[in-house]
Amino acid sequence: EAQVTQNPRYLITVTGKKLTVTCSQNMNHEYMSWYRQDPGLGLRQIYYSMNVEVTDKGDVPEGYKVSRKEKRNFPLILESPSPNQTSLYFCASSLTPGRLYNEQFFGPGTRLTVL
Amino acid sequence: DAKTTQPPSMDCAEGRAANLPCNHSTISGNEYVYWYRQIHSQGPQYIIHGLKNNETNEMASLIITEDRKSSTLILPHATLRDTAVYYCIVRVDFNDYKLSFGAGTTVTVRA
Repeated sequence: EAQVTQNPRYLITVTGKKLTVTCSQNMNHEYMSWYRQDPGLGLRQIYYSMNVEVTDKGDVPEGYKVSRKEKRNFPLILESPSPNQTSLYFCASSLTPGRLYNEQFFGPGTRLTVL
Repeated sequence: DAKTTQPPSMDCAEGRAANLPCNHSTISGNEYVYWYRQIHSQGPQYIIHGLKNNETNEMASLIITEDRKSSTLILPHATLRDTAVYYCIVRVDFNDYKLSFGAGTTVTVRA
């Protein structure tokens, strides 16, 4: 089954404790992205990657890091989480530029609470 | 990307058609209209997209006005499982893969 998976689905942590949220897709997609969703602010893009070893900042990259060493994986790293990073996080993937349209596939979400 | 305007909420009776409007009066000639939906805190799900012709797939129909300044997503026979937030997004297809989600329309299907 074609899908985007995220782990963990739920995480409660404390300020300053480094964490990684994993994202993996099995559709051989080049493009992958991270969004966060907060009440009243909608979904906002954090980082994206057009292909292996190619990443770029989205709208709200501060406090986050990403890496893209393999096509299927795009982990989101919080080196020193803070309470304002408490949010619902979504990973997404899609095919490369040049297609007629771009359907993005989203993961199930990771609900992160930073105390 | 062109800005979109959607009603904040609407109700629909189960089994009836749900017509969701979207205004995108500043759309440019090469911008597509996309619709996604998000069922309570799940990941958004692609529904349909179009440029200027009406489109239909197994989930919905998309009607785009001739001047392309507005569109309507039609769920032909709404079910309780269609209760979700529906997002209308307008974007240029080839240059940027970011999806700019607005507030969307919260659709509640009632039995």
